[in-house]
Amino acid sequence: EPEVTQTPSHQVTQMGQEVILRCVPISNHLYFYWYRQILGQKVEFLVSFYNNEISEKSEIFDDQFSVERPDGSNFTLKIRSTKLEDSAMYFCASSPGLPPYEQYFGPGTRLTVT
Amino acid sequence: DQQVKQNSPSLSVQEGRISILNCDYTNSMFDYFLWYKKYPAEGPTFLISISSIKDKNEDGRFTVFLNKSAKHLSLHIVPSQPGDSAVYFCAASANTGNQFYFGTGTSLTVIP
Repeated sequence: EPEVTQTPSHQVTQMGQEVILRCVPISNHLYFYWYRQILGQKVEFLVSFYNNEISEKSEIFDDQFSVERPDGSNFTLKIRSTKLEDSAMYFCASSPGLPPYEQYFGPGTRLTVT
Repeated sequence: DQQVKQNSPSLSVQEGRISILNCDYTNSMFDYFLWYKKYPAEGPTFLISISSIKDKNEDGRFTVFLNKSAKHLSLHIVPSQPGDSAVYFCAASANTGNQFYFGTGTSLTVIP
């Protein structure tokens, strides 16, 4: 069964450093998403991406964040200058269409900023 | 701004009994609701959904009920099995956007 994959599973970085989180969505899906979950809190939407551009973003997704689909398979989230409060699980998701299509989530990348 | 709320952080149920997980929402524009299940170290996995034009959707042991007037939905699992032990997230979307709004989750423990 096709699945969303994410690398790395755990990333440790120092405050102020840039990180790139990588995702391979399900191959025939058209919509791609990033969510994050700070420990003990809810899963929060960051951004959605369709047709090579951002279609929707939350207030969390500020200028420090960017997304890219550099080739036909990868979808990346870049945090330019990490802050301690960026420490969270970051989930990538993909879907074949807008809701009511469900979104398929990857296993997540745990980002720890020290 | 919590548009989707799950007020019970945890629930314990005996194997074979019914598990009822609850979710409330505030945004009247939400028209599609889902339940996701999450095991530790894994991403959320889609479980069951319901459109706002329905008040019930059933899939095997899982049934979701929607009460639009109360802005409330619930997930019933019957009979509960130990493998159902996980965190359950309620999520909602509006036809004006393509993001899902998640609740904080309820950790279900099914006791053998």
